[in-house]
Amino acid sequence: NAGVTQTPKFRILKIGQSMTLQCAQDMNHNYMYWYRQDPGMGLKLIYYSVGAGITDKGEVPNGYNVSRSTTEDFPLRLELAAPSQTSVYFCASSSRGSYNEQFFGPGTRLTVL
Amino acid sequence: GQQVMQIPQYQHVQEGEDFTTYCNSSTTLSNIQWYKQRPGGHPVFLIQLVKSGEVKKQKRLTFQFGEAKKNSSLHITATQTTDVGTYFCAGTSGTYKYIFGTGTRLKVLA
Repeated sequence: NAGVTQTPKFRILKIGQSMTLQCAQDMNHNYMYWYRQDPGMGLKLIYYSVGAGITDKGEVPNGYNVSRSTTEDFPLRLELAAPSQTSVYFCASSSRGSYNEQFFGPGTRLTVL
Repeated sequence: GQQVMQIPQYQHVQEGEDFTTYCNSSTTLSNIQWYKQRPGGHPVFLIQLVKSGEVKKQKRLTFQFGEAKKNSSLHITATQTTDVGTYFCAGTSGTYKYIFGTGTRLKVLA
């Protein structure tokens, strides 16, 4: 199993550009999450999904969109990049049930200039 | 909204000393998780606590969940250089929406 994979690993965007961060998991997990981590800070939940076709906002959803058309994939879309979106983005997944440890991907380091 | 704070923000210890980080939630939690993140890495799950007053041990690590389910702690006995990293708690109030704490960065001096 590859676990949770994220692409790209690094990206530099100009202000106003758009991009999609890809996330995929091969563990058949129902729950998937997107977090951002600013330098030296904790993780903030952007969006999460409890299954295909179902998404919900986290703590900091403004400026982002998500979709969940399959169990495996959970892409994160930035429409109009701003310098405040410079961060490391982590995708995570977990199974349904009472014991649901989150498995994290390696992260995407995004810089907006 | 729900907030989860951790103290201290940083901790430097000599190798062999003990270390404790505390996690406090503004709301009652249904469960709490702990993660470790090595420098430049991604968070890795350590443990989940569910019951009021629960205590769990993993070798030199001891985790506690408060009686009121609003606080938790992680204690490391006799730290080693391999313990270096940032320790996060993450709590939920009953949904699958986890709020992460601010983290405690541990440095261990050999």
